[in-house]
Amino acid sequence: KNQVEQSPQSLIILEGKNCTLQCNYTVSPFSNLRWYKQDTGRGPVSLTIMTFSENTKSNGRYTATLDADTKQSSLHITASQLSDSASYICVVSRIYNQGGKLIFGQGTELSVKP
Amino acid sequence: DTEVTQTPKHLVMGMTNKKSLKCEQHMGHRAMYWYKQKAKKPPELMFVYSYEKLSINESVPSRFSPECPNSSLLNLHLHALQPEDSALYLCASSQPTSGSITDTQYFGPGTRLTVL
Repeated sequence: KNQVEQSPQSLIILEGKNCTLQCNYTVSPFSNLRWYKQDTGRGPVSLTIMTFSENTKSNGRYTATLDADTKQSSLHITASQLSDSASYICVVSRIYNQGGKLIFGQGTELSVKP
Repeated sequence: DTEVTQTPKHLVMGMTNKKSLKCEQHMGHRAMYWYKQKAKKPPELMFVYSYEKLSINESVPSRFSPECPNSSLLNLHLHALQPEDSALYLCASSQPTSGSITDTQYFGPGTRLTVL
């Protein structure tokens, strides 16, 4: 079954601290993996996208890793800011002719406190 | 312009009303999507249009009727909705490559729909 599981479900950290979010997937055939940030009541915004051959991708204070052998990904946030409070969603794309099928994780709710 | 716009931002409707949600993008993308998202849940795919033709309908009830008038516009017509249809409705677009839809989907801000 094609699934994406994220952990933890929620996380509270202090401003300025680092944190790491986890994503495990069982999607096949694999096309790519993306991390999205979604603020409450807003649409998701893409942070990173990685294909099978990439094992790390950075976007400012966000660094994503991918281990295609173990089917695991992580999103590391450095020096967190209050504006990082949001839901972070791991999304895996299946190779799917005529319709790219995205498999969404349940998301990790991150709260950054002053 | 890397923006997907959606109108209205908020919509309250009764179960007997007919309303429409609108989505627009000017990135030249030829694939457009409708998603439904309940609170604290991931988005659920409803429909996919590829080159203005409906390519995926994820068994969505007929009270939701999509329409793609041209490559930049996507509508979702609503009729006789139920209170459980209240949700955030997201539109997205992407650029299909080589006949299959891959690559990053750009999401709009969503329409918050409340059905009374």
